[in-house]
Amino acid sequence: GAVVSQHPSRVICKSGTSVKIECRSLDFQATTMFWYRQFPKQSLMLMATSNEGSKATYEQGVEKDKFLINHASLTLSTLTVTSAHPEDSSFYICSVRGGSYEQYFGPGTRLTVT
Amino acid sequence: KNEVEQSPQNLTAQEGEFITINCSYSVGISALHWLQQHPGGGIVSLFMLSSGKKKHGRLIATINIQEKHSSLHITASHPRDSAVYICAPGGSQGNLIFGKGTKLSVKP
Repeated sequence: GAVVSQHPSRVICKSGTSVKIECRSLDFQATTMFWYRQFPKQSLMLMATSNEGSKATYEQGVEKDKFLINHASLTLSTLTVTSAHPEDSSFYICSVRGGSYEQYFGPGTRLTVT
Repeated sequence: KNEVEQSPQNLTAQEGEFITINCSYSVGISALHWLQQHPGGGIVSLFMLSSGKKKHGRLIATINIQEKHSSLHITASHPRDSAVYICAPGGSQGNLIFGKGTKLSVKP
């Protein structure tokens, strides 16, 4: 399967600042990547679907102007949390869509907003 | 009613026991994933299946599309199997719907 990395693995930022999270597909050209988040003791929830070269598709309730997604190449998608607030503190995970509905997950990024 | 129901929510087993985790879903799917999440948060995809049965080492996954039910079995369980196991049916676009997970603890 594909190897997916995320950077950073952990980040702490002050309220009001922006944070960028990178998701890289190291050995697979990914036309589609997914961004999920997981609040403590809750299920993973899909935030958006990122397609290379086009605008991301956001799930209901996810603000596209707050969570900026850029999928500029087949190996990199970025999620920028703008004007972060403590309620944005969460575990953010990306995945790469492979063939035949397979998905390969990144290791996740734990964001803490103080 | 949740679209994905897993049972049990929590499971404690003794090393060596045979373990079964069940998943029922109400949505139409293209494939169903079983995922493993360790305490640090990282997720590993164990299986993706759309019919029948798959086996990988001590893990077995089955799915019944007509009944909208899947099971994950672990034979000869080991403490290193302790993790959260998540059932995630997927649609044709690849988007997954996640169950709440089953927290498994295997005692030595």
